[in-house]
Amino acid sequence: DAGVTQSPTHLIKTRGQHVTLRCSPISGHKSVSWYQQVLGQGPQFIFQYYEKEERGRGNFPDRFSARQFPNYSSELNVNALLLGDSALYLCASSLGVSFVLGTEAFFGQGTRLTVV
Amino acid sequence: QKEVEQNSGPLSVPEGAIASLNCTYSDRGSQSFFWYRQYSGKSPELIMSIYSNGDKEDGRFTAQLNKASQYVSLLIRDSQPSDSATYLCAVNNEGRRALTFGSGTRLQVQP
Repeated sequence: DAGVTQSPTHLIKTRGQHVTLRCSPISGHKSVSWYQQVLGQGPQFIFQYYEKEERGRGNFPDRFSARQFPNYSSELNVNALLLGDSALYLCASSLGVSFVLGTEAFFGQGTRLTVV
Repeated sequence: QKEVEQNSGPLSVPEGAIASLNCTYSDRGSQSFFWYRQYSGKSPELIMSIYSNGDKEDGRFTAQLNKASQYVSLLIRDSQPSDSATYLCAVNNEGRRALTFGSGTRLQVQP
């Protein structure tokens, strides 16, 4: 039973470049959320997508964008990379759009992005 | 004031002891509460979820929730060296589409 899968696992980019990160949720889950985790901090919410629509957005600049495909997989795009974008990017899969009783979020292994 | 606060630690306990991890939150509308374990260099792994006041037990883990005090805790009984990790507390208000995380507490279990 496959869990949440993310690709790539590691990535090195140069300042100013663009990056695309990918995520496949758990089978049957329709919601994908993206989080950024910098060293020593908890994950910070970037986006939530449910049924291919954006349902939530965190406090991140417009350089960050995402989309969800008909098969519920998702991409996170970051333009004009800055050194400060270096972080672990996590994808979370959940059954529904909100975390009411019984709905839990499960994380993929993450993509470690280094901007040099 | 941070929305979710945790003591960064490290919390050091001997093997076999009870580890007590605490978390406070500021949003009184929070309804769902989660504990994640994160090993160094890895992604968070869900341990427990709790939604109503009181205790919830799962194996060696017990989550405790007190909404009046805006406090949630995680007890780990018979702590093992393999429990050494960072424990993240996350909360959610149904009106929001995100989990809000604390910065985590680093637990060290000494053999």
